[in-house]
Amino acid sequence: AQSVTQLGSHVSVSEGALVLLRCNYSSSVPPYLFWYVQYPNQGLQLLLKYTSAATLVKGINGFEAEFKKSETSFHLTKPSAHMSDAAEYFCAVSAGSGGGADGLTFGKGTHLIIQP
Amino acid sequence: DAGVTQSPTHLIKTRGQHVTLRCSPISGHKSVSWYQQVLGQGPQFIFQYYEKEERGRGNFPDRFSARQFPNYSSELNVNALLLGDSALYLCASSSQGAPGTDTQYFGPGTRLTVL
Repeated sequence: AQSVTQLGSHVSVSEGALVLLRCNYSSSVPPYLFWYVQYPNQGLQLLLKYTSAATLVKGINGFEAEFKKSETSFHLTKPSAHMSDAAEYFCAVSAGSGGGADGLTFGKGTHLIIQP
Repeated sequence: DAGVTQSPTHLIKTRGQHVTLRCSPISGHKSVSWYQQVLGQGPQFIFQYYEKEERGRGNFPDRFSARQFPNYSSELNVNALLLGDSALYLCASSSQGAPGTDTQYFGPGTRLTVL
């Protein structure tokens, strides 16, 4: 079974500042990890995906995340926040190549607020 | 290319009624998954279908059912609606039937309100 914990339901940063959204996971098999973004009244858009290759994953819109097995973490970062980054961000885990057909397990989400 | 499409976008039902939600996957994708997103929470997995067969099921009651058609589109059915079924229902498609490894692409969702 897998689980995801996102620390901080709301994160507020100033425009131009570093964005750091935290995600810790639990998985009984080597996981695949994902970050999705959701804008108001829309579906989910994939930002990036970790699939057991490089531990530093680069995604769209300048976001990246680093897989740290020892810390069971997959935090999302962006060097300089833009007003358009304001949205809800979800971290998700799946069973990876370990099999299972239980879909993605999502965290509760972090609402990112960008201050002008 | 068109992304995942869902219909209707919004729906209002009363308790005890039945509802059918529809999803068309990205062209060439053979797998469809359904998720329920209650306000303020992350999506929860309901079903996954691949090649018209159920491959996975989340922790939802039997009131929830789904099917996949030969053109890979899918329907989610919910019977005997409860107030707690009010949520955004998301459909996701992927190219193969391995939800553990495939990237899932989400549609815009259907907002269901149960009164």
